[in-house]
Amino acid sequence: EIVMTQSPATLSVSPGERATLSCRASQSITNNLAWYQQRPGQAPRFLIYGASTRATGIPARFSGSGSGTEFTLTISSLQAEDFAVYYCQQYDNWPRTFGQGTKVEIK
Amino acid sequence: EVQLVESGGGLVQPGGSLRLSCAASGFTFSTYAMNWARQAPGKGPEWISHITSSSGTVYYADSVEGRFTISRDNAKNSLYLQMNSLRADDTAVYYCVSPLITTTNRVYWGQGTLVTVSS
Repeated sequence: EIVMTQSPATLSVSPGERATLSCRASQSITNNLAWYQQRPGQAPRFLIYGASTRATGIPARFSGSGSGTEFTLTISSLQAEDFAVYYCQQYDNWPRTFGQGTKVEIK
Repeated sequence: EVQLVESGGGLVQPGGSLRLSCAASGFTFSTYAMNWARQAPGKGPEWISHITSSSGTVYYADSVEGRFTISRDNAKNSLYLQMNSLRADDTAVYYCVSPLITTTNRVYWGQGTLVTVSS
């Protein structure tokens, strides 16, 4: 099973600032990585696939990068609605696995 | 508009069974694989099962292998999860999850159905 490790566990950021979230895979997953956002009481929301391709309707302030084992999600200028928990997920191998999440909170 | 609507959750005793359903609409269900995922209280999501479009291939997470069975009825645009020998650690919100839908460039999750395993 591929283990996905996210850091940091919590990120405190002021509105308008940049947030950088990291995700590491225990083995190479090429670019078979997705990012999700989850607000309290809601289902996860699909943000990015292929490590860097935004899903339909996702604002351009969200960007993803990386390949192999190291990946990054960047939110260029945090808006109020962006404070949430973010998960990475690999879909290179079975079972599909998620990271433990990074909570982006208001500083 | 793509919609996934789960049903069938509830309170069940340890060792009991439950069958979840997911009604899909807004896309050509019969041409896409489908998935179930779950999220225990205060935890991250966990993928638990996958079924190909024709039901020819299924996968399970180790945590549910041998106890849960995924199935689908393409004529009814429906996905199912039969859950047997339920344990307390199966308590979670269960989600029906699409793959990337090529016509909309999105992955869809249902609203979830809560399964509580407790005596």
